Amino acid sequence: GAGVSQSPSNKVTEKGKDVELRCDPISGHTALYWYRQSLGQGLEFLIYFQGNSAPDKSGLPSDRFSAERTGGSVSTLTIQRTQQEDSAVYLCASSPRTSGSYNEQFFGPGTRLTVL
Amino acid sequence: AQRVTQPEKLLSVFKGAPVELKCNYSYSGSPELFWYVQYSRQRLQLLLRHISRESIKGFTADLNKGETSFHLKKPFAQEEDSAMYYCALMDSSYKLIFGSGTRLLVRP
Repeated sequence: GAGVSQSPSNKVTEKGKDVELRCDPISGHTALYWYRQSLGQGLEFLIYFQGNSAPDKSGLPSDRFSAERTGGSVSTLTIQRTQQEDSAVYLCASSPRTSGSYNEQFFGPGTRLTVL
Repeated sequence: AQRVTQPEKLLSVFKGAPVELKCNYSYSGSPELFWYVQYSRQRLQLLLRHISRESIKGFTADLNKGETSFHLKKPFAQEEDSAMYYCALMDSSYKLIFGSGTRLLVRP
């Protein structure tokens, strides 16, 4: 079956521009996670959705970062006024998690963002 | 503070040699720990989790609460094991806290 998909796969933008990154989770997965993979920082958590609500936004690095999820499915991560330090691979993961138990997180291929 | 430490950025071994990728954690509770692997040009995928106590692709990992460690081991490395390995801790909100990763290079 189809796994987690992300678009675009690569994005090059100029400093100061806004970008939107999209994640399509596995159908039926209620939990969705965004992580960032950057040189020297490893993999960092950004935000987590359960359904359409985000109970944990603690990893968003600044108020330039926001995310939403609609219909309990697709999620968009928006970065406003991009800075060079935003350059990274942005990973999305989904899981069928039901409360009180852990389910495996399945990762997408990532979006490589380069801010010039 | 919750933290996962992987002290080695690169581990290079010859085919057939034993492998141990180190992972130490800091967590104020009962930890749930995982190893994820990323092969070249592939997406990140779960290798194993401590709670299942299984061996995947010949790899095992034992949780040592006294030493707060969760080292990944394989007795005989294969070339196809070459990849990036991440140790991760799941916190109370089910998000993963990752270590910085160790690149394993298995030479022929």
